[in-house]
Amino acid sequence: AQSVSQHNHHVILSEAASLELGCNYSYGGTVNLFWYVQYPGQHLQLLLKYFSGDPLVKGIKGFEAEFIKSKFSFNLRKPSVQWSDTAEYFCAVILFSGGYNKLIFGAGTRLAVHP
Amino acid sequence: DADVTQTPRNRITKTGKRIMLECSQTKGHDRMYWYRQDPGLGLRLIYYSFDVKDINKGEISDGYSVSRQAQAKFSLSLESAIPNQTALYFCATSKLSTGELFFGEGSRLTVL
Repeated sequence: AQSVSQHNHHVILSEAASLELGCNYSYGGTVNLFWYVQYPGQHLQLLLKYFSGDPLVKGIKGFEAEFIKSKFSFNLRKPSVQWSDTAEYFCAVILFSGGYNKLIFGAGTRLAVHP
Repeated sequence: DADVTQTPRNRITKTGKRIMLECSQTKGHDRMYWYRQDPGLGLRLIYYSFDVKDINKGEISDGYSVSRQAQAKFSLSLESAIPNQTALYFCATSKLSTGELFFGEGSRLTVL
């Protein structure tokens, strides 16, 4: 079955630490990939997206993600996190199949950054 | 002003009551969605609509119904609310081509 896996449900870091959140999907066809962020008490906002082209995409607030097709992965990274990055992060994948597309969300990773 | 507006933002109700959550958008998107968010489960799709005459069930549609009154309006109803429908509900819209979602600010529903 098609799915999106986020391996870390909770991550705790100190400020200035590096961040990498894993996202893997199970589908062999064409995909669009997204990372959304939800700050405490707020709605989901787009952090970055990949449709095609350079597999290393840069998003807002210093985040980037790399699409590795052979690994079915789209990991999110940030070299140095800040307290304000405390939020929940969702990976989402759109699967394209013969004119039909299906969006699947991962379960989310809750990030807490301590000063 | 928000592009995707949900009302009410917070609602507490009792078991068995009928509840409607409303969503309106100014983005001009054809596609609209209702999701519910529960801790540890991410977002799960309840219903989606590709245009006014096209409404489809998502993965957890039991106990819910929807109405697409116009391109810009998509409402979610709980005919007889139950406690396990306590959750944060999000409306979203998307472009036809890319699927990028634009979310409303959420409606927190508590069923006692």
